[in-house]
Amino acid sequence: NAGVTQTPKFRVLKTGQSMTLLCAQDMNHEYMYWYRQDPGMGLRLIHYSVGEGTTAKGEVPDGYNVSRLKKQNFLLGLESAAPSQTSVYFCATLGQGDAGGTEAFFGQGTRLTVV
Amino acid sequence: AQKVTQAQTEISVVEKEDVTLDCVYETRDTTYYLFWYKQPPSGELVFLIRRNSFDEQNEISGRYSWNFQKSTSSFNFTITASQVVDSAVYFCALSAATGANSKLTFGKGITLSVRP
Repeated sequence: NAGVTQTPKFRVLKTGQSMTLLCAQDMNHEYMYWYRQDPGMGLRLIHYSVGEGTTAKGEVPDGYNVSRLKKQNFLLGLESAAPSQTSVYFCATLGQGDAGGTEAFFGQGTRLTVV
Repeated sequence: AQKVTQAQTEISVVEKEDVTLDCVYETRDTTYYLFWYKQPPSGELVFLIRRNSFDEQNEISGRYSWNFQKSTSSFNFTITASQVVDSAVYFCALSAATGANSKLTFGKGITLSVRP
């Protein structure tokens, strides 16, 4: 049981390049989230999804797009990367944990640097 | 709208001191979940506790305890007899229980440094 897997773990992009971050989960959870973490800012919600085929904007959606074509995958795209998008990105799901209650599960994070 | 406020940004204590991390939340939902997560220097997010809005019982787990008070919209976390390994960033988070409003909203985190 892999839980939540993010790929890639590290990436360096040049300004203007595009890339897609993949979040894959094997827990059959409906809710999935993409966050960015910057020093002193905590975890800020970029986009989220409450089920297959649905997406919604979070707190800081500009410059990002997402898709949830399959329930288990939530993709985060940067069409034209900017240095301001240098950050650590976390994917999370929300659903039933092993103890039977609702829990948020996180990927290991993706460290993205835009130069 | 949901909001989580962690007014303390950095706390420094000496080992064996007790320390309380504050969390205040805002939500219009009547059913919701509150969480605490720990982020050690290695960067991963470690689940500590979940509370649902109907359960105001305080909880103790070893040196950790949580005080949930709906009347003041607070969910505070106390570490008793702190240890150097407790040094980390601690996040409080809030989610509506179901539906399209199930955003998982985090506070800005509290950096705890425990000195030997």
